[in-house]
Amino acid sequence: AQTVTQSQPEMSVQEAETVTLSCTYDTSESDYYLFWYKQPPSRQMILVIRQEAYKQQNATENRFSVNFQKAAKSFSLKISDSQLGDAAMYFCAYRSVPGNTPLVFGKGTRLSVIA
Amino acid sequence: EPEVTQTPSHQVTQMGQEVILRCVPISNHLYFYWYRQILGQKVEFLVSFYNNEISEKSEIFDDQFSVERPDGSNFTLKIRSTKLEDSAMYFCASSGLWTGNEKLFFGSGTQLSVL
Repeated sequence: AQTVTQSQPEMSVQEAETVTLSCTYDTSESDYYLFWYKQPPSRQMILVIRQEAYKQQNATENRFSVNFQKAAKSFSLKISDSQLGDAAMYFCAYRSVPGNTPLVFGKGTRLSVIA
Repeated sequence: EPEVTQTPSHQVTQMGQEVILRCVPISNHLYFYWYRQILGQKVEFLVSFYNNEISEKSEIFDDQFSVERPDGSNFTLKIRSTKLEDSAMYFCASSGLWTGNEKLFFGSGTQLSVL
């Protein structure tokens, strides 16, 4: 079974600075998908960014980018120019390639942004 | 952006009582999911639903749980006889496609407290 580990329960960053959230996973599959979800105080889970394992190029969405290291099974999220609205819980998630399989989540990292 | 709607936002019940958690997925979506998050723990998959039947379910989803799509818009999770350990945040999600990297849209959750 796949597992996802987020080793940082809490992180903080100064406004306008850059922060990196760590995620590692364990799988025997060669193809899969990885996601970062954000959960603000409203509690809604919002997709931040996704990465297909067969793509070598790291995904980027505006201020959010990932560092995908397939051999190391590492999938970190970098947030540049941090904003107060970035404060939230961030969950790393894994999904197998066959469609409609469940997302496997990590325990999350709580990010605080300091003004 | 379209939203998944969950009601109620909070539900308090006595142990042994039945509860029904309600969700309105995005209107043109075909795949539906329930996840739950016990306080301080990771988000866990419960069940996926497609074409009016369960596609996959986890070990958590035992005989006490059931799902239903009673009409064209609602998707419900029923817990027949609640236990203290059922206290958690329950998230409904939906997606439009089968592909693994398809974005899941999550609702804001129902916080279930079993006393």
